[in-house]
Amino acid sequence: NAGVTQTPKFRILKIGQSMTLQCTQDMNHNYMYWYRQDPGMGLKLIYYSVGAGITDKGEVPNGYNVSRSTTEDFPLRLELAAPSQTSVYFCASSLGGINTGELFFGEGSRLTVL
Amino acid sequence: AQTVTQSQPEMSVQEAETVTLSCTYDTSESDYYLFWYKQPPSRQMILVIRQEAYKQQNATENRFSVNFQKAAKSFSLKISDSQLGDAAMYFCAYRSPKVNDMRFGAGTRLTVKP
Repeated sequence: NAGVTQTPKFRILKIGQSMTLQCTQDMNHNYMYWYRQDPGMGLKLIYYSVGAGITDKGEVPNGYNVSRSTTEDFPLRLELAAPSQTSVYFCASSLGGINTGELFFGEGSRLTVL
Repeated sequence: AQTVTQSQPEMSVQEAETVTLSCTYDTSESDYYLFWYKQPPSRQMILVIRQEAYKQQNATENRFSVNFQKAAKSFSLKISDSQLGDAAMYFCAYRSPKVNDMRFGAGTRLTVKP
């Protein structure tokens, strides 16, 4: 009963490096999301996807890219990491975008950029 | 854009007593969904309770209940018979059926004293 799985859980990057946060869900959900959570703040949407091959920007997309080649996977890529990207990143999924609305979350990935 | 406000950064409650966490939101929509999520130290976001705006009856889930005041745009969470395991960050969230995003408040840190 895995649900939403994120890797890695922790990562330290140097300024200018790139990396990919992996996210996989086994619930056959169409919708997937990437959020970031800064200290003392709520979650903010980076990107989302309504199905394989379809992605769209959220509230804070700058500095990130996503792809959705399969229903299960929704990786988040950070290009040219900056200290402002130090945050905890959450991947989430939902069955649909306009019905009950509940999101299922992964355990989060803590990223530090030095 | 919808905004969610949690005016209590921190709250504390004695074990076995009752505590109420406040949440207000701003929207011009008539149909939407409201949620309370719990984030324990493990970081994973866990759904506590959900309320559909078209339902007048307040949602309840065991020791958790809400006071949904649609006209006042208020959505408070009541935790009865508080337990040590209830200690966590609690996030109020709003979801529009028209937008693929969930707006979160800044959170309330709940401490439970033995």
